Amino acid sequence: KAGVTQTPRYLIKTRGQQVTLSCSPISGHRSVSWYQQTPGQGLQFLFEYFSETQRNKGNFPGRFSGRQFSNSRSEMNVSTLELGDSALYLCASSLNEVYEQYFGPGTRLTVT
Amino acid sequence: KQEVTQIPAALSVPEGENLVLNCSFTDSAIYNLQWFRQDPGKGLTSLLLIQSSQREQTSGRLNASLDKSSGRSTLYIAASQPGDSATYLCAVRPRPNAGGTSYGKLTFGQGTILTVHP
Repeated sequence: KAGVTQTPRYLIKTRGQQVTLSCSPISGHRSVSWYQQTPGQGLQFLFEYFSETQRNKGNFPGRFSGRQFSNSRSEMNVSTLELGDSALYLCASSLNEVYEQYFGPGTRLTVT
Repeated sequence: KQEVTQIPAALSVPEGENLVLNCSFTDSAIYNLQWFRQDPGKGLTSLLLIQSSQREQTSGRLNASLDKSSGRSTLYIAASQPGDSATYLCAVRPRPNAGGTSYGKLTFGQGTILTVHP
């Protein structure tokens, strides 16, 4: 069974631009969560989707948004990029909200 | 607000040693606890998942225990090898609440950086 895939793997953007990251969960998994990882803050929860509905959201500004499609694939969008948005963005999938989470390889975003 | 702490922050040991990584959490209302490893620049690999009703889980040379009442979990690695060198993270998932606002969210510790030298 294929694991969680994330595209692109690396991205370089300039301040003020917007970016869209994509995540394809493990087949059959309906829950997708997003996390931001930085050296200073560690891993922080962004949001979680289940069956196309956002079930939970972390403490991030409204510039961070996401969605989930009927095939469970998910995208997250960051608008008006800031230097502090440079991070590794990780996507995780699970069968539902309480089962084991499996992580993708991440998207490394650099904002210059 | 759930807080997760991992001790030590870094650990360097010679190959072959048995070692223990510690994880503590402040809110015992958890659904489960998961241990991960992360290699530099990579995603997280799930190692063990312990449900709140369980006391321990084993996989190969790894054994994780959970004491929910005291808010502690330990990851025991037997006969460590250089390939075990990585950052080890523990994360807790809250028990779903009546409002449904706790779904999906894992709270992570800062991790323990493990180096096993030959």
